[in-house]
Amino acid sequence: DVKVTQSSRYLVKRTGEKVFLECVQDMDHENMFWYRQDPGLGLRLIYFSYDVKMKEKGDIPEGYSVSREKKERFSLILESASTNQTSMYLCASLPPPDRVTDTQYFGPGTRLTVL
Amino acid sequence: QKEVEQDPGPLSVPEGAIVSLNCTYSNSAFQYFMWYRQYSRKGPELLMYTYSSGNKEDGRFTAQVDKSSKYISLFIRDSQPSDSATYLCAMSRRRGSYIPTFGRGTSLIVHP
Repeated sequence: DVKVTQSSRYLVKRTGEKVFLECVQDMDHENMFWYRQDPGLGLRLIYFSYDVKMKEKGDIPEGYSVSREKKERFSLILESASTNQTSMYLCASLPPPDRVTDTQYFGPGTRLTVL
Repeated sequence: QKEVEQDPGPLSVPEGAIVSLNCTYSNSAFQYFMWYRQYSRKGPELLMYTYSSGNKEDGRFTAQVDKSSKYISLFIRDSQPSDSATYLCAMSRRRGSYIPTFGRGTSLIVHP
């Protein structure tokens, strides 16, 4: 039973294109996150949202924007894709730490290649 | 200095070995400690979760937290080739707004 889904597993785009990555969770979590993961750099937080229409910048928001119109859906937007945005993008849906269970929290990831 | 330090490895061990994976951290406000396992080309999955100091055991896995030393460990007994993955530690400092801080991950290879 998949709890967090991402719209694409693999995506190839051209420089300058606008890219939409979508994430949907069915756990009724308030907090949702977008990370990118690169070899040697680990997980880096791009944006997070703690409620509908609320968003906060993470550590590396430049070149990205997000949208949270519904609680279950959190979208990451690359306004004008560049080659340095080639990466694995991971969406996470996380409860407060005092409600952590063994539920799957991360989506399967989208491997984006920008040519 | 990063808030959470984790040796990226790779750590290569023979099947059946006891594996010790570690993270150190600098922020004494961290109270919640997690270990995630990530197989190649997959998203991370929560493996173990502990609150404050102490040990927690689940099958072959034991998570240990030493807040006085700001050091956490994950032990894997009787390691199997299927344990080969990247292990990420994560920690959180408070209730409510949950923003975990992740280590870079340690790559573990268990060879038959």
